[in-house]
Amino acid sequence: EPEVTQTPSHQVTQMGQEVILRCVPISNHLYFYWYRQILGQKVEFLVSFYNNEISEKSEIFDDQFSVERPDGSNFTLKIRSTKLEDSAMYFCASSESYRGPANNSPLHFGNGTRLTVT
Amino acid sequence: AQSVSQHNHHVILSEAASLELGCNYSYGGTVNLFWYVQYPGQHLQLLLKYFSGDPLVKGIKGFEAEFIKSKFSFNLRKPSVQWSDTAEYFCAVNGGGSSASKIIFGSGTRLSIRP
Repeated sequence: EPEVTQTPSHQVTQMGQEVILRCVPISNHLYFYWYRQILGQKVEFLVSFYNNEISEKSEIFDDQFSVERPDGSNFTLKIRSTKLEDSAMYFCASSESYRGPANNSPLHFGNGTRLTVT
Repeated sequence: AQSVSQHNHHVILSEAASLELGCNYSYGGTVNLFWYVQYPGQHLQLLLKYFSGDPLVKGIKGFEAEFIKSKFSFNLRKPSVQWSDTAEYFCAVNGGGSSASKIIFGSGTRLSIRP
């Protein structure tokens, strides 16, 4: 079964540094997402992406965050200047339908990247 | 705005016990509802989903959930749990319209099964 893959599995960075989290969505999927889960808290929506542009973003997704699909397979999340509170598990997800979960197309999640900001 | 409430933060059961995890949502329009499971050290996996039709939805591994519109609930059930069901369970909701592209998760319920 095709999977969403994320690299690295664990990233440690110093406060103020830039990080790029990488994801390879399932190949025929068209809708891409980033979620994060701070330890002990709920999974929070960050951003959705379709047709090479952001479809929707949460209040968490401020100017420090950006997403990109640099080629036909990768989907990246960049944090420009990391803060301690950015430490979390970051999940990438993709869905088949261009309308995502509203069109009977569930999200498929990757294993996550654990980001630790020191 | 959509929101999801899971009232049980941690549930501890013995093997073969019956399970019911509560989930309530708030959203006035048509909703799609999901239960995801996260086994220790693994990614989120879809357990089951409700889009329309029969409000009793059957998922993988013997799980089922019932959508009760009048109660804004989508509780997860399993008649007899196994040790391998130890995991974190997340209820999630997706509404249509401008929020069609995302789903909102509840805070999760940690399920621990005693062998």
